[in-house]
Amino acid sequence: GQNIDQPTEMTATEGAIVQINCTYQTSGFNGLFWYQQHAGEAPTFLSYNVLDGLEEKGRFSSFLSRSKGYSYLLLKELQMKDSASYLCAVSDSNYQLIWGAGTKLIIKP
Amino acid sequence: ETGVTQTPRHLVMGMTNKKSLKCEQHLGHNAMYWYKQSAKKPLELMFVYNFKEQTENNSVPSRFSPECPNSSHLFLHLHTLQPEDSALYLCASSQEGPGGRITEAFFGQGTRLTVV
Repeated sequence: GQNIDQPTEMTATEGAIVQINCTYQTSGFNGLFWYQQHAGEAPTFLSYNVLDGLEEKGRFSSFLSRSKGYSYLLLKELQMKDSASYLCAVSDSNYQLIWGAGTKLIIKP
Repeated sequence: ETGVTQTPRHLVMGMTNKKSLKCEQHLGHNAMYWYKQSAKKPLELMFVYNFKEQTENNSVPSRFSPECPNSSHLFLHLHTLQPEDSALYLCASSQEGPGGRITEAFFGQGTRLTVV
């Protein structure tokens, strides 16, 4: 079956760095997405990786290793507003999105 | 503002009620989706519409009935729901290109549904 795994919850300190991991097993691969979802709000797109390597976008970076079925989202210089859930999703061979359950990130002062 | 608007934001309904959720996208996308989001579970894809045609129905009970009158509007009609249907219902849109490749999805803020 198809499966996306990510930690349920993580805690980090304001100003620090946190890495949220995502491992996947899917039928085919057409890219991996990261979304941010604040409580009570819509998920919003953060990044898309289809080739191996690191994509940097400001304080957020996303890494992909297709051979390992692995990705991570790296958040630097954490701010209180980064407290949210982070969703990992993989586009499979039919371009259907397979979603992880999300990682709730708690930022402490 | 994501360009996808859902109404209502909150809905409480009895098990014998009939209600409808509405979604409208202002992004010119050709694909629209209904998702169910339950606590600590992955997003569950319910329905996909591409160019107004339903292309996916992931074994959703018939008490959920989608309608897509045009590429900008999507409805989810609800009838005789069960308490376990209580969840956040999210609408999303994206642009589907050749071969089915999709761009990132843009989500509405969802309807928090409670069935009593």
